Amino acid sequence: RKEVEQDPGPFNVPEGATVAFNCTYSNSASQSFFWYRQDCRKEPKLLMSVYSSGNEDGRFTAQLNRASQYISLLIRDSKLSDSATYLCVVTPTSGTYKYIFGTGTRLKVLA
Amino acid sequence: DAGVTQSPTHLIKTRGQQVTLRCSPKSGHDTVSWYQQALGQGPQFIFQYYEEEERQRGNFPDRFSGHQFPNYSSELNVNALLLGDSALYLCASSSPTTMPGPNTEAFFGQGTRLTVV
Repeated sequence: RKEVEQDPGPFNVPEGATVAFNCTYSNSASQSFFWYRQDCRKEPKLLMSVYSSGNEDGRFTAQLNRASQYISLLIRDSKLSDSATYLCVVTPTSGTYKYIFGTGTRLKVLA
Repeated sequence: DAGVTQSPTHLIKTRGQQVTLRCSPKSGHDTVSWYQQALGQGPQFIFQYYEEEERQRGNFPDRFSGHQFPNYSSELNVNALLLGDSALYLCASSSPTTMPGPNTEAFFGQGTRLTVV
């Protein structure tokens, strides 16, 4: 089983739609969680950190469910510019310094 | 403020050759990590350098080695290149900290796209 799993998609949605991605992780002791965005042939960029209480940044909402070991990303009112690959990132237990990435979920927002 | 810069942006090498990739971290960052991203995959952790030493290593063979200089810049060296080493190599820098946490954002460079033929 992969340490971090995501549905690779693609998710094709019309402009204005709401879309949600889930990501599951295998290590129950995982410490920190992030969503990164990666445009085609570009570097990943932090979209948002994910906090235990859930957090929102404009049209984006992230949730963490430690009991079920998954995190989610909700995008409301999708824009064409939201088309990208969304990478789920987990940091393992304390004492380690690496980020573990999922394979990413591709989103295409259609006009 | 310059972000993370990597060079070269693209590189073509032949099987068996050696390659060196370079990275300059974001100003104020002293920790550099290297990742390999194969097509259609997420980045895979290669190793991290802090205070000029390899602090942690992922599941990569010894053909992959690195170095960090006193100015915090870093190099990734790959020996005896294989076709499977073709990938985007990403360098990430982060602010001084003992370990990742909710506030430890990793900033990525634009990457070096390595093609082995």
